[in-house]
Amino acid sequence: NSKVIQTPRYLVKGQGQKAKMRCIPEKGHPVVFWYQQNKNNEFKFLINFQNQEVLQQIDMTEKRFSAECPSNSPCSLEIQSSEAGDSALYLCASSLPQQDTQYFGPGTRLLVL
Amino acid sequence: GDQVEQSPSALSLHEGTSSALRCNFTTTTRSVQWFRQNSRGSLINLFYLASGTKENGRLKSAFDSKELYSTLHIRDAQLEDSGTYFCAAEAITGGYKVVFGSGTRLLVSP
Repeated sequence: NSKVIQTPRYLVKGQGQKAKMRCIPEKGHPVVFWYQQNKNNEFKFLINFQNQEVLQQIDMTEKRFSAECPSNSPCSLEIQSSEAGDSALYLCASSLPQQDTQYFGPGTRLLVL
Repeated sequence: GDQVEQSPSALSLHEGTSSALRCNFTTTTRSVQWFRQNSRGSLINLFYLASGTKENGRLKSAFDSKELYSTLHIRDAQLEDSGTYFCAAEAITGGYKVVFGSGTRLLVSP
């Protein structure tokens, strides 16, 4: 179904540590999204890119996360200083630039102790 | 407020029976996607609709952009249909991001 690759699948960090996860979008998909799904199954949009440019991001992402999608390298999302409330499943998705299906990776499950 | 209201939150079906899930949108929606999330967290694409209806095997989905709702019908439910189903709506404000419903946890039993 989806060819989006996310690594690592699981990540355990202590509070205050950096937490970095990566995503390789489907080949030919210039639009990349990051979402956070919490333990209550609620999804939160974090940021999206078209090629290397940020399209939209929420305040939390701007203040506490570092994200990029360099050309010819995986996209990455990094929490600068992890908090317990950041424990969640982080999902990367990619799509074509027009109205189109978003294809999701398997996610990185982050646990902040 | 929440853009997507999904119902029911939980559903139990016996094998062979049918039912429907629904998402109501509080703002104009450009498109809707339906996913099934398995126990490992993977989101499996079921449908993408910008309008009208689509059918795939025992699943059928409809999107009414004027009346602001979408439905997912499951016919002849099978054990492997169990999982959590989400709709996700793309607003017309652009940027391509979607807003997810709260999910429907479906359990199909023998």
